Amino acid sequence: DVKVTQSSRYLVKRTGEKVFLECVQDMDHENMFWYRQDPGLGLRLIYFSYDVKMKEKGDIPEGYSVSREKKERFSLILESASTNQTSMYLCASDPSGQLLRSYNSPLHFGNGTRLTVT
Amino acid sequence: EDQVTQSPEALRLQEGESSSLNCSYTVSGLRGLFWYRQDPGKGPEFLFTLYSAGEEKEKERLKATLTKKESFLHITAPKPEDSATYLCAVHDLTDSWGKLQFGAGTQVVVTP
Repeated sequence: DVKVTQSSRYLVKRTGEKVFLECVQDMDHENMFWYRQDPGLGLRLIYFSYDVKMKEKGDIPEGYSVSREKKERFSLILESASTNQTSMYLCASDPSGQLLRSYNSPLHFGNGTRLTVT
Repeated sequence: EDQVTQSPEALRLQEGESSSLNCSYTVSGLRGLFWYRQDPGKGPEFLFTLYSAGEEKEKERLKATLTKKESFLHITAPKPEDSATYLCAVHDLTDSWGKLQFGAGTQVVVTP
């Protein structure tokens, strides 16, 4: 079974702090994703990465950055946390790589990090 | 712009009371429609992928169907362990990165 592990289940940070959310997958998957989940809004894509050191903006990248130095690890960075970034953050992976048109695989999710910014 | 709308937002069922969840979508071209189940405090867990109108998939008490504009998730004779939030997502053929667009989900509670 694919395992996607997020390092923290709960985090409480203060406004203005730099926040790192870490995600590791153990199945050598090419693609990794960061979503945030808010009530009534569903999952919204922040950033994704299709290879080491490669990244693409999702639908709501403002206020976030990412890092992928190793294939198995994808980090989400909040440069200066704000209260409107209080949310559930979900990491996901899938094996399809850059040939997305020819491969239609489901995402494998971690259990999420609930971040509260005060 | 792609849109995915799920209804109802919440559903309360008695054990054994069958019902259906709806996912309506607007995409330029459908590559695939996914259903996920999410338990409280956990990440979504994959259930089904549907690719073309008329397709059906089943797993235990769940059956997913697909038309050109919507998908239904039928829950037959539900049990309390079917309580969860059910999410649908679409993959638009014209999105070169294959990003998924998610609906907001339907929260299902099944009482004994």
